[in-house]
Amino acid sequence: AQSVTQPDIHITVSEGASLELRCNYSYGATPYLFWYVQSPGQGLQLLLKYFSGDTLVQGIKGFEAEFKRSQSSFNLRKPSVHWSDAAEYFCAVGSSNTGKLIFGQGTTLQVKP
Amino acid sequence: NAGVMQNPRHLVRRRGQEARLRCSPMKGHSHVYWYRQLPEEGLKFMVYLQKENIIDESGMPKERFSAEFPKEGPSILRIQQVVRGDSAAYFCASSPNRETDTQYFGPGTRLTVL
Repeated sequence: AQSVTQPDIHITVSEGASLELRCNYSYGATPYLFWYVQSPGQGLQLLLKYFSGDTLVQGIKGFEAEFKRSQSSFNLRKPSVHWSDAAEYFCAVGSSNTGKLIFGQGTTLQVKP
Repeated sequence: NAGVMQNPRHLVRRRGQEARLRCSPMKGHSHVYWYRQLPEEGLKFMVYLQKENIIDESGMPKERFSAEFPKEGPSILRIQQVVRGDSAAYFCASSPNRETDTQYFGPGTRLTVL
């Protein structure tokens, strides 16, 4: 069965520090992978996506993610975190058959001044 | 190009009442998805629709929940005889023609059942 695991429920980093949010997936075929961000009380905004090609994907707001097939991972990174990055981050895998997204539990990012 | 629109943003219902949630996809998008986010949980897929057709309803509860996407007008998620466990945020997403295209999410409807 398809599934997504985000091992870290909550992460706290200092402003200016680097960030890595982990995402592992289970999917039988080549996955379509996404990272979304959700601010409190808001909808989800797409940060970046991987469909095929270059395994290092650049997104908005300075985020990037790397698809590693051997590790079934799609970790999100940012070299220097800003206070405005505090939010909840969701990794998702898309089904090529039906299009539905399967989400991880989410990681809440807190940024210390 | 306006984004995905959902209304109402907040909805309060008493147990046993009906809840109707509306979703207008982005212009040119013919695929609509509904997801539910329970407190402290991630989003769970409910149903996937194209115009006048339900493509995948594998995530929909078997009773009290229904969805439609008519030829004209918004998609509607309908919950009959709501119970407290239905309290959640309901998100709609839309995408262009292909199933694997990016889904763009609306701001959600937060349903509270008293």
